Amino acid sequence: SQKIEQNSEALNIQEGKTATLTCNYTNYSPAYLQWYRQDPGRGPVFLLLIRENEKEKRKERLKVTFDTTLKQSLFHITASQPADSATYLCALDRSGGSYIPTFGRGTSLIVHP
Amino acid sequence: ETGVTQSPTHLIKTRGQQVTLRCSSQSGHNTVSWYQQALGQGPQFIFQYYREEENGRGNFPPRFSGLQFPNYSSELNVNALELDDSALYLCASSSRQGGETQYFGPGTRLLVL
Repeated sequence: SQKIEQNSEALNIQEGKTATLTCNYTNYSPAYLQWYRQDPGRGPVFLLLIRENEKEKRKERLKVTFDTTLKQSLFHITASQPADSATYLCALDRSGGSYIPTFGRGTSLIVHP
Repeated sequence: ETGVTQSPTHLIKTRGQQVTLRCSSQSGHNTVSWYQQALGQGPQFIFQYYREEENGRGNFPPRFSGLQFPNYSSELNVNALELDDSALYLCASSSRQGGETQYFGPGTRLLVL
């Protein structure tokens, strides 16, 4: 069956360090992968999209990698700040090239001052 | 802010009742998707509407139904409410021209007693 796996345990890091979150998937052949940020009680906010033919994408302090052989994406936040504390969701397209992303359960990131 | 609005923000219903949730999409967006998010889980896809037609449906029973209007706003209707329907219901709008990014509203928190 299709699965999107994100670490259910919260990631605790110190301010200024790099946070790395992992998204693994099985039985998908996604055309793209997205990362979203969600604060408690709020809707997810889009951060980055990376396509199957891209290895890496950057946006300010954020970096995403996409390895379709390992079926894994890594999401990095450099120089993390307490304001980065949130749940981060990865999402894959539901079927190759569709406009319907399927979400993982998310990983909670806590950045300590 | 994404420009996607949802109403009401909170709702309490009893088992067996019916509920209608509303969503106004971002200006220029012709696609609306609805998601159910239980506590500690990722958003689960319910269905998507593109130009007033259903364009995909997740693994939800027929008592979950929807509509999209000519102005691209949308409704989610749930009949015969069950306790497990308690969740955050998220609406996301998008534009085929703009790609796969989903712009989420703040959600409606539904509690079924």
